[in-house]
Amino acid sequence: QKEVEQDPGPLSVPEGAIVSLNCTYSNSAFQYFMWYRQYSRKGPELLMYTYSSGNKEDGRFTAQVDKSSKYISLFIRDSQPSDSATYLCAMRAGFGNEKLTFGTGTRLTIIP
Amino acid sequence: ETGVTQTPRHLVMGMTNKKSLKCEQHLGHNAMYWYKQSAKKPLELMFVYNFKEQTENNSVPSRFSPECPNSSHLFLHLHTLQPEDSALYLCASSRSSGSPHQETQYFGPGTRLLVL
Repeated sequence: QKEVEQDPGPLSVPEGAIVSLNCTYSNSAFQYFMWYRQYSRKGPELLMYTYSSGNKEDGRFTAQVDKSSKYISLFIRDSQPSDSATYLCAMRAGFGNEKLTFGTGTRLTIIP
Repeated sequence: ETGVTQTPRHLVMGMTNKKSLKCEQHLGHNAMYWYKQSAKKPLELMFVYNFKEQTENNSVPSRFSPECPNSSHLFLHLHTLQPEDSALYLCASSRSSGSPHQETQYFGPGTRLLVL
């Protein structure tokens, strides 16, 4: 079993729709959760960062973490064609442990 | 673009060649990383350097040799690679500090490597 599971997609949705991206994980030691966005031919860029369980909102993006279910989500409201990219979830354990464990990434296309 | 640069952006090499990838970070960070990104696979951590000292080697074959002369520069020396080593090689940096929230990793654009 992979430590982090993420549906690779591809996922296509119409412009303006709400997008839901998800990851599940097996290591209960993970405490820090991140979403990275990677455009074609670019490196990943940090989009959202969350510590422990709860929600975090930043503009059109909302990150949710449910540690009891080992499940994290990223919601994109009012999706735009510029949101078309691959979204990678990443997580790591305690403070001082630099190692990030990534999902495979979900390729998202927003159709105008 | 982030404050992490990588050169070259694209590289084609034969199996008998020797080449080097370069990474430079302009963010004042003290930890640097090499990752391998292959299609439909998670990013694979290869090496970690903290204050120029290698702190992690994730069972990487010896045909990959990292070098970190200072906190701002990181190299990956390549020799006698195999076709399956073709991938996007990403460099990242972070600041190891007293706050876990400052340990976020920032990535460069990557070097697309093709081994023939």
